Amino acid sequence: QLQLQESGPGLVKPSETLSLTCTVSGGSISRSTYYWGWIRQPPGKGLEWIGSVSYSGSTYYNPSLKSRVITSVDTSKNHFSLRLNSVTAADTAVYYCARLDGLGKWFDPWGQGTLVTVSS
Amino acid sequence: QSVPTQPPSVSGAPGQRVTISCTGSSSNIGAGYDVQWYQQLPGTAPKLVIYGNSNRPSGVPDRFSGSKSGTSASLAITGLQAEDEADYYCQSYDSSLSDYVFGTGTKVTVL
Repeated sequence: QLQLQESGPGLVKPSETLSLTCTVSGGSISRSTYYWGWIRQPPGKGLEWIGSVSYSGSTYYNPSLKSRVITSVDTSKNHFSLRLNSVTAADTAVYYCARLDGLGKWFDPWGQGTLVTVSS
Repeated sequence: QSVPTQPPSVSGAPGQRVTISCTGSSSNIGAGYDVQWYQQLPGTAPKLVIYGNSNRPSGVPDRFSGSKSGTSASLAITGLQAEDEADYYCQSYDSSLSDYVFGTGTKVTVL
């Protein structure tokens, strides 16, 4: 059974870079059928897609975040990563990683999520 | 704004049927993109309950059903149970935004 687990700092200072990793277990990240994605949810609010990456490193991003986001994949460690720079309090959210299934149509499964707070 | 809209809340007694609407636009649902539905129990990650407009993943009870017509989609829960109390989000793709879009979310309360 495929499982995903987010990891990274829970507190980031304003203007700095948020960095998270999603470790995949129970399956290989190198299967060419899938993309791997990041989604976030500010406290008490809805879901927002951040970006996605393929096993070969192809990426695409939410246009509203594109200038600040980089996603990457490390097949040797079976994980993929998110970097969001120049963060502000508005980036405070629970960050989820997920697999994009159905030839890139839906997100399943999801990691449990990790809360990242932007504060000095 | 092309983000699909959902009613903030719906409620029903145990055993009843509730429906959640997801109203999109010609650049997402109306453009033919599939609609998915996710259930988010309090304090947990979203879970896929409907994909490809009307398909249930393995393990999801057949009390959950989805449909799509024009620029809108719906999720129906029949035989409502206490464990169904959660937030529900629709999701599609938007060609004008070049973005995966999630609906505004609906809180289902079991009375």
